[in-house]
Amino acid sequence: SQKIEQNSEALNIQEGKTATLTCNYTNYSPAYLQWYRQDPGRGPVFLLLIRENEKEKRKERLKVTFDTTLKQSLFHITASQPADSATYLCALTGGFKTIFGAGTRLFVKA
Amino acid sequence: GAVVSQHPSRVICKSGTSVKIECRSLDFQATTMFWYRQFPKQSLMLMATSNEGSKATYEQGVEKDKFLINHASLTLSTLTVTSAHPEDSSFYICSASETSGGVYNEQFFGPGTRLTVL
Repeated sequence: SQKIEQNSEALNIQEGKTATLTCNYTNYSPAYLQWYRQDPGRGPVFLLLIRENEKEKRKERLKVTFDTTLKQSLFHITASQPADSATYLCALTGGFKTIFGAGTRLFVKA
Repeated sequence: GAVVSQHPSRVICKSGTSVKIECRSLDFQATTMFWYRQFPKQSLMLMATSNEGSKATYEQGVEKDKFLINHASLTLSTLTVTSAHPEDSSFYICSASETSGGVYNEQFFGPGTRLTVL
């Protein structure tokens, strides 16, 4: 069955460092991969989308890579800030359906 | 940007009662709306997809008669949890898309509704 794996343990980093989150998937060939931010008790907020034929996408302090051979996406936040603390969800879209990972909780310490 | 609202944000009800959750697209017409359910520290699980004016398509394992979905207009969809039980307690999130069909339709998410069934 289709499966998405994200770091189940929380990621703790120091302010100013780069946070790197991982999304691995199996039994799936997504056409698109998205990253969302979700704060406690809130709905997800769209951050970035990357297509299957793209290797890398950037938006301000965010960078996403997509390796369809490894079936992996990496999500980077550079110059991290305490305000970046949240849960980050990876989502894959293919075959007219989108599935979500469970998310990785990021804590950025001042 | 596209804004989606949900009402209520929190609801507590007694077991056996029905609860209606509204999802509205405030500044765009939502051809397609999605309803998700999320348990703590788990991923969003798609419950159903609804297109305006037609019946919702439910995911496998989701009871149609228990989770009634109505998408009567291009800006409003409702989810009614009928005869709610404590195991229905969860975080319900809707999303809306301006287009239908195609491989990818950007979804704009609502803020979610926390349902607690006593």
